[in-house]
Amino acid sequence: SQQGEEDPQALSIQEGENATMNCSYKTSINNLQWYRQNSGRGLVHLILIRSNEREKHSGRLRVTLDTSKKSSSLLITASRAADTASYFCATGANNLFFGTGTRLTVIP
Amino acid sequence: DTEVTQTPKHLVMGMTNKKSLKCEQHMGHRAMYWYKQKAKKPPELMFVYSYEKLSINESVPSRFSPECPNSSLLNLHLHALQPEDSALYLCASSQELSYGYTFGSGTRLTVV
Repeated sequence: SQQGEEDPQALSIQEGENATMNCSYKTSINNLQWYRQNSGRGLVHLILIRSNEREKHSGRLRVTLDTSKKSSSLLITASRAADTASYFCATGANNLFFGTGTRLTVIP
Repeated sequence: DTEVTQTPKHLVMGMTNKKSLKCEQHMGHRAMYWYKQKAKKPPELMFVYSYEKLSINESVPSRFSPECPNSSLLNLHLHALQPEDSALYLCASSQELSYGYTFGSGTRLTVV
């Protein structure tokens, strides 16, 4: 299976704290992407990091990629209650396979 | 227009029914996808269309039949489904294969 694995499976933090999610994958990649899904709805593309990049920022999001370890992390800084969602990493050449996901709960 | 529109949002069908899910995008994306997602699981790829041609079928049972009438539309025809096919069906599109998908909000399907 090309599916990645994420940890933790669930994360609960207080508003204002930082949240870190990790993704490990199995095959070599051209890019790795992170998506967010609010309960029972469609996924939203957050950020794409290419295999030759090590770090990328977008607003309160910071993504790192370590191709030697086949792993990536997503950091959300200064979390808000509205960040409560499931977060998935995704990789693939001609189509995306999604990781198992991290369910983030931000407590107001 | 930067959206993928899926209809219907909810569908309840019997095991002998025939129904169709529809997906539409007007972003000029040439790749379109169907995913199936069960509760608390990641989306699972079903089909990939590239330039209106089916390029990937992830061993999906024949009771699911995709169709791409034109570059903006993607249908999923359903026939003789089983209760275990109940799930959220997601459509997505992208400018290039595997780059920055735009997802629709999904069709919540219940098979009774």
